[in-house]
Amino acid sequence: DAGVTQSPTHLIKTRGQQVTLRCSPISGHKSVSWYQQVLGQGPQFIFQYYEKEERGRGNFPDRFSARQFPNYSSELNVNALLLGDSALYLCASSLAPSTDTQYFGPGTRLTVL
Amino acid sequence: AQSVTQPDIHITVSEGASLELRCNYSYGATPYLFWYVQSPGQGLQLLLKYFSGDTLVQGIKGFEAEFKRSQSSFNLRKPSVHWSDAAEYFCAVDLNDYKLSFGAGTTVTVRA
Repeated sequence: DAGVTQSPTHLIKTRGQQVTLRCSPISGHKSVSWYQQVLGQGPQFIFQYYEKEERGRGNFPDRFSARQFPNYSSELNVNALLLGDSALYLCASSLAPSTDTQYFGPGTRLTVL
Repeated sequence: AQSVTQPDIHITVSEGASLELRCNYSYGATPYLFWYVQSPGQGLQLLLKYFSGDTLVQGIKGFEAEFKRSQSSFNLRKPSVHWSDAAEYFCAVDLNDYKLSFGAGTTVTVRA
């Protein structure tokens, strides 16, 4: 069975640009969460979506937005990129939000120059 | 405020030796607890989880963890490490809300 997939694998952008990251959950999973992992730190929660509704948002600026599609895939958008947005962006899926186990994808490595 | 602490930033262990990684959390009630492993450049793989019941939890790759309520700890152990266990290990908690809160991670180096 396919796990969580993310695209692209790597991305290089310059300051001020916008970026869209994509995530496909495990088949049957309806909840998708996004995390940002800065080098040398643990992942930080950004968003969770369930049944196309935002269920939770972490402490990130409004430059970060996301959505979930009818097929439960998800996109994370970041506008007006800053150097500090350089990180590994991880997507996780689960059957349902909250207490269900989250399974992570390989991540998208974003570098902002 | 809740937090997850992994006191050891880096641990070096000889191949075949035992390994123990520490994790402490601060929260009034018992959270759901997880250990994930991350190899270089990779995403996170779930090793094991604790929701309730038996406080000694068995996971994949020969890992186990023990939940100790009195110490607010959920330490990860492996009796005999292999070179392939070199990675970064993250403890995480789910506080019955919508997100996982992660510790800063412990990097494990395995020497021959």
